[in-house]
Amino acid sequence: GENVEQHPSTLSVQEGDSAVIKCTYSDSASNYFPWYKQELGKRPQLIIDIRSNVGEKKDQRIAVTLNKTAKHFSLHITETQPEDSAVYFCAATLLTGSARQLTFGSGTQLTVLP
Amino acid sequence: SAVISQKPSRDICQRGTSLTIQCQVDSQVTMMFWYRQQPGQSLTLIATANQGSEATYESGFVIDKFPISRPNLTFSTLTVSNMSPEDSSIYLCSVEQTGTGDYGYTFGSGTRLTVV
Repeated sequence: GENVEQHPSTLSVQEGDSAVIKCTYSDSASNYFPWYKQELGKRPQLIIDIRSNVGEKKDQRIAVTLNKTAKHFSLHITETQPEDSAVYFCAATLLTGSARQLTFGSGTQLTVLP
Repeated sequence: SAVISQKPSRDICQRGTSLTIQCQVDSQVTMMFWYRQQPGQSLTLIATANQGSEATYESGFVIDKFPISRPNLTFSTLTVSNMSPEDSSIYLCSVEQTGTGDYGYTFGSGTRLTVV
């Protein structure tokens, strides 16, 4: 089955700086890679996703890049703000498979220091 | 996007008892998933529940401990049976949304279970 590794486990940045979180996956067939933000006591919320037919996707201050050859994808947050502080999870799945369950990385606790 | 109502939001239960968690979705969905999230940890898939078929359990999870029902395309329950303190965790349901231009996986608000 799929295995997703995520690092770093914790990341502290100054407000206004950029943050990068990286994930690697094991199953070359996986073709859908979402990122979730989970604030304390809340449900995971999808913030951005990417499919294997594109290499990069942006949404305002958030971007995701995908390298299929190396089987890794990264989340980039620019101009970080204190409200970006949360745990971020990457995930992977095969959309065309019969199961289609998400396999999650271990999470990154991002702290944005004011 | 789909709206999921999950309940109860939290409960404190005696060991040896069972708790049933419910998830109601405001639209019909084919696939529903149940996850466990232990404190400070990632999400671990318990099982996949499709309407009209038996749930598919991941390694380490068994039907006798976590029976699941999926009576229709908008509802599912997960029961945590014969609970022990090790079952204390957050349980989340999730659905796969396949609407045009609106694909993704949405989560319920979670059930925080404490077993004493």
